[in-house]
Amino acid sequence: RKEVEQDPGPFNVPEGATVAFNCTYSNSASQSFFWYRQDCRKEPKLLMSVYSSGNEDGRFTAQLNRASQYISLLIRDSKLSDSATYLCVVIQFMDTGRRALTFGSGTRLQVQP
Amino acid sequence: DGGITQSPKYLFRKEGQNVTLSCEQNLNHDAMYWYRQDPGQGLRLIYYSQIVNDFQKGDIAEGYSVSREKKESFPLTVTSAQKNPTAFYLCASSARTVINTEAFFGQGTRLTVV
Repeated sequence: RKEVEQDPGPFNVPEGATVAFNCTYSNSASQSFFWYRQDCRKEPKLLMSVYSSGNEDGRFTAQLNRASQYISLLIRDSKLSDSATYLCVVIQFMDTGRRALTFGSGTRLQVQP
Repeated sequence: DGGITQSPKYLFRKEGQNVTLSCEQNLNHDAMYWYRQDPGQGLRLIYYSQIVNDFQKGDIAEGYSVSREKKESFPLTVTSAQKNPTAFYLCASSARTVINTEAFFGQGTRLTVV
């Protein structure tokens, strides 16, 4: 089983739709969580951190469910410019002082006019 | 401006050659990472380094080597032992001891074997 799993999609949605992605992680010692956005042939860029209490940034809402070991990303009122691959990232802070940074394989979103 | 720089952006390698990809950061980050991404796939960890003169293998280290002689630099060598090196290579850095800080990426190097 992969440490971090995402549905690869693609999710094809019309403009204005609400879409949600989930990401499950296997290691209960995971401590930090992020969503990154990657456009075609570009590097990933941070979309938002995911806090325990959930957090919102405009049309984007991120949530963490530690009991079930998943994080989610909700996009409301989808825009054409939201079309991209969304990667979840899980970080564990090891006893040795090292950080293990693990990426999901990404979920592709295509917003259609 | 602070950031992380990869070079070159495009690289062509003949079979049997070693090539080195450059990654430099001026963010004063302790941790640096190399990832490989194949078309339509996620990121796979090749090597990572938490401090100078220390690095660890990731999930797909075979056929690759790294060095971390300076905090700012983490070059990746793709050796002839890597049988399928054509891919998009991404370097990232992060602050090692701050738990909730994100990783920053360079713009990537696209390596093609010809």
